[in-house]
Amino acid sequence: QVQLQQWGAGLLKPSETLSLTCAVYGGSFSGYYWSWIRQPPGKGLEWIGEINHSGSTNYNPSLKSRVTISVDTSKNQFSLKLSSVTAADTAVYYCARAITSVAWYYYGMDVWGQGTTVTVSS
Amino acid sequence: SSELTQDPAVSVALGQTVRITCQGDSLRSYYASWYQQKPGQAPVLVIYGKNNRPSGIPDRFSGSSSGNTASLTITGAQAEDEADYYCNSRDSSGNHAVFGGGTKLTVL
Repeated sequence: QVQLQQWGAGLLKPSETLSLTCAVYGGSFSGYYWSWIRQPPGKGLEWIGEINHSGSTNYNPSLKSRVTISVDTSKNQFSLKLSSVTAADTAVYYCARAITSVAWYYYGMDVWGQGTTVTVSS
Repeated sequence: SSELTQDPAVSVALGQTVRITCQGDSLRSYYASWYQQKPGQAPVLVIYGKNNRPSGIPDRFSGSSSGNTASLTITGAQAEDEADYYCNSRDSSGNHAVFGGGTKLTVL
């Protein structure tokens, strides 16, 4: 049974860099895309970006200038950095495993982390 | 703004059938996946691909697609199905994932 465990700082000041890490336990790291998603209080889900075991990334165009997702295959971990945060970045951040066919014909996130609440406040 | 459009709220009587829809141009090329989210919990994948249910998802949940619209159908809705439901797919380029705005399902 694959499990994702995530951690990182929960309280940031404006202009600081958000940093979260997600560890994958109990399953293969290759063959999947590893994703970050966030959810502002009372709002819907927003996809942040993804990475595969080879380090190939895709980012949400609206966040691309501030986002870096990296992978450490030796530890089965992947990480999110979001720079220059503002109050608008306050959200619950989730990591997730994405299953997909070739060319994204079908796609879905079948395993999720527990979520990390990140608050940006001066 | 989201490239996938969902109705904000839908209600269904206990035991009846409800359909939740998701519209977007990219759905002509890519299947949608569907997630159930209850308050304070992480989303749970309930449908992906043409009509695939992950292990543990009841068979009252089913998915379908036609043109630019994907649908999640709950046949015989239960009280525990009351939740927010999100559709998810790729954008028209395929390079990015997108979520619909979510539908709040109330079971009466």
